[in-house]
Amino acid sequence: DQQVKQNSPSLSVQEGRISILNCDYTNSMFDYFLWYKKYPAEGPTFLISISSIKDKNEDGRFTVFLNKSAKHLSLHIVPSQPGDSAVYFCAASVLDRDDKIIFGKGTRLHILP
Amino acid sequence: ETGVTQSPTHLIKTRGQQVTLRCSSQSGHNTVSWYQQALGQGPQFIFQYYREEENGRGNFPPRFSGLQFPNYSSELNVNALELDDSALYLCASSPGLGSKVYTEAFFGQGTRLTVV
Repeated sequence: DQQVKQNSPSLSVQEGRISILNCDYTNSMFDYFLWYKKYPAEGPTFLISISSIKDKNEDGRFTVFLNKSAKHLSLHIVPSQPGDSAVYFCAASVLDRDDKIIFGKGTRLHILP
Repeated sequence: ETGVTQSPTHLIKTRGQQVTLRCSSQSGHNTVSWYQQALGQGPQFIFQYYREEENGRGNFPPRFSGLQFPNYSSELNVNALELDDSALYLCASSPGLGSKVYTEAFFGQGTRLTVV
């Protein structure tokens, strides 16, 4: 039972345009939602998070939107740059004893020149 | 570049063997979490260690075990290896529990384990 779903395995976006990565979840108990970025041969890097009590969080070119009624979140990258080409993992967690992070399968983002 | 180092980077083992993977934590971090990432999947939580004690465990059998040392480095041990254990094993260190596990954690580059 996948609690965090990323239904698009890959996405191609022109450099300078907006990249929108989508994520759906099933567990209404999640306290935090996270996005990680992963380059080949490296571990995931934390990108941005949003608490379940908010609906938007912005950090530079990255904005995460949370729609709790739809159990949906999205990551917007504006403008997209070549260095943004990577695998992006959507993840979520419940703040309890072990704070484990539940990851989606990832979306590979290609930024085209 | 993070201060989290995993060793070895690649490993090939035979089914039924045992393996130990190692993770050094970032300076000042007392919490280590281990994840298994199978091909085409996202990382899956194995367990977490906080100040040398196991603090939580995911849906993995007992043949997956771990340790955390006084310097907060950690080991993941897997006994009786199965073909399905082939995966990238990631560790992440953080400076405590709660939201720091997400926002202030650093992941290592992973150990690629192949079981044949």
